[in-house]
Amino acid sequence: NAGVTQTPKFRVLKTGQSMTLLCAQDMNHEYMYWYRQDPGMGLRLIHYSVGEGTTAKGEVPDGYNVSRLKKQNFLLGLESAAPSQTSVYFCASSYNRGSLAEQYFGPGTRLTVT
Amino acid sequence: SQQGEEDPQALSIQEGENATMNCSYKTSINNLQWYRQNSGRGLVHLILIRSNEREKHSGRLRVTLDTSKKSSSLLITASRAADTASYFCATDNQGGKLIFGQGTELSVKP
Repeated sequence: NAGVTQTPKFRVLKTGQSMTLLCAQDMNHEYMYWYRQDPGMGLRLIHYSVGEGTTAKGEVPDGYNVSRLKKQNFLLGLESAAPSQTSVYFCASSYNRGSLAEQYFGPGTRLTVT
Repeated sequence: SQQGEEDPQALSIQEGENATMNCSYKTSINNLQWYRQNSGRGLVHLILIRSNEREKHSGRLRVTLDTSKKSSSLLITASRAADTASYFCATDNQGGKLIFGQGTELSVKP
């Protein structure tokens, strides 16, 4: 099992450009999450999904959109990138909601917006 | 908003020593989890302790939970250089989502 995978691993964008980060899991988990990690800030939840076809906002959703068309995939989109979105992005999944089950994390995507 | 706060922010010890990290939180919880993050990698789950549990062990890890003080501690015994990593506590909020603290950066010197 590959667990949780993320593509790409690194990306540099110019302000105003768009991109999509892909997260895939092969554990048949219902719940999937997108976090961003900034120095001194810990992890902050951007969006999450409790099942195929559903998405919900987390703590810092502005500037991001997500889609969960297939159970195993969770996409994070930046429509118009801003320097404030420079961060490391982590995807995670779990078989139950966040407080009841451990989350499995991907290796991260390091995004720089210039 | 941050729910859990780790203390200390950084800890440096020698191999073989014990490492203790603390986590304080603000509101009542159902569970508390601890995660480890090696440099440049994703987080790895270490242990989950429920609100009705006071102590839990996993190998060289010992986690305690004091709901009256809204605090938890993670003890790593007989530390190894490979334990060098950042350690995060995570608590659930009312919506059932995890809220992560800022982490403790542990350095174990050989």
